[in-house]
Amino acid sequence: QQQVKQSPQSLIVQKGGIPIINCAYENTAFDYFPWYQQFPGKGPALLIAIRPDVSEKKEGRFTISFNKSAKQFSLHIMDSQPGDSATYFCAASGGSQGNLIFGKGTKLSVKP
Amino acid sequence: DSGVTQTPKHLITATGQRVTLRCSPRSGDLSVYWYQQSLDQGLQFLIQYYNGEERAKGNILERFSAQQFPDLHSELNLSSLELGDSALYFCASSVGQALGYTFGSGTRLTVV
Repeated sequence: QQQVKQSPQSLIVQKGGIPIINCAYENTAFDYFPWYQQFPGKGPALLIAIRPDVSEKKEGRFTISFNKSAKQFSLHIMDSQPGDSATYFCAASGGSQGNLIFGKGTKLSVKP
Repeated sequence: DSGVTQTPKHLITATGQRVTLRCSPRSGDLSVYWYQQSLDQGLQFLIQYYNGEERAKGNILERFSAQQFPDLHSELNLSSLELGDSALYFCASSVGQALGYTFGSGTRLTVV
């Protein structure tokens, strides 16, 4: 119930491609779903977040799609750039789980 | 600079030793969270403090302890260190419960 499952573990795309990273959760009390971006040697940084009352949220080239019935959410990166190469983590919190539970991360590599 | 300060950045110590990691949260943030990041386990929640009080505990070993001081800085104490404790330790802070974590740059602990 406390897990957030993230896939794929790694992803390689060409510049301009649209990488998609997926996450699934079990705990229906979760009500906050952020994505974090982490570059080597740095701490994770909040990228974008969504609540279950909307099905999609866009911020620049980053889009979260949320499917409440399937208990899944995904991150899409439009027109990906080599500078987007990083590790991406999904997370969830809510209900009695006040702290964020993270997925295991996806290492994205965008080739020029 | 995220506003969350962690010291030291790197720490090398021997098995059996004790170390203290320090975190100063972003100005105005009352919650402090400690996470351990290893290659195979992702970001594992250890413990949360809110305004000086322990709020939640995750997968924190009995050899580890933490506290948050009146000035809101926090310390994570790791004792009887083992090789498997080698990891990145991140501190994050937020204004309230869970939302919008800001992470520090981490402390890389190497136990030899």
